Amino acid sequence: GAVVSQHPSWVICKSGTSVKIECRSLDFQATTMFWYRQFPKQSLMLMATSNEGSKATYEQGVEKDKFLINHASLTLSTLTVTSAHPEDSSFYICSASDDRGYYGYTFGSGTRLTVV
Amino acid sequence: AQSVTQLDSQVPVFEEAPVELRCNYSSSVSVYLFWYVQYPNQGLQLLLKYLSGSTLVESINGFEAEFNKSQTSFHLRKPSVHISDTAEYFCAVSESTGGFKTIFGAGTRLFVKA
Repeated sequence: GAVVSQHPSWVICKSGTSVKIECRSLDFQATTMFWYRQFPKQSLMLMATSNEGSKATYEQGVEKDKFLINHASLTLSTLTVTSAHPEDSSFYICSASDDRGYYGYTFGSGTRLTVV
Repeated sequence: AQSVTQLDSQVPVFEEAPVELRCNYSSSVSVYLFWYVQYPNQGLQLLLKYLSGSTLVESINGFEAEFNKSQTSFHLRKPSVHISDTAEYFCAVSESTGGFKTIFGAGTRLFVKA
């Protein structure tokens, strides 16, 4: 079956630094990847949709300059949280889809970001 | 655009009792429907999915869900729950055309008591 790998699983960083999270599709070509954010005891909120080779589409209210998304290859997308602050602490999770949308329901294991 | 409503934020139930977690959706196009389970401090695990075909789908651990197009529902059921079923359950919908992004419901906390 389709596997999506997300790394790191957890990270602690100092306020003001940047953190990069990777999302990889291991056994299929991910034309599209989705990035979600989950606050404690809340649901997953879609942050952005990235298509390989083009700019990401951000959901309303998500800061593009804050959350940089790169999808330069068919197997890798990265989310960089720039100049992180404690309020950025959250659980970030990605999912990947091929061009048929067949794997669109396969999620990575998530990244717990804590900004101190 | 699609949306998902999970009608119960918390469902307490005694062990070995039946349970139903409710989910309703709205969409202007045909959809794929999913239930995910999330244990504390872990990622999402796909529990079951409806893509097409039989409207009743089952998981390997005894859960089942039925797609009801007329009622736009996809309720999750289990005839007899275990303590280990205590977790957060998310219903999700993905439009079957154009993008396939998945929208999640607010989640239902299932708490199984001894």
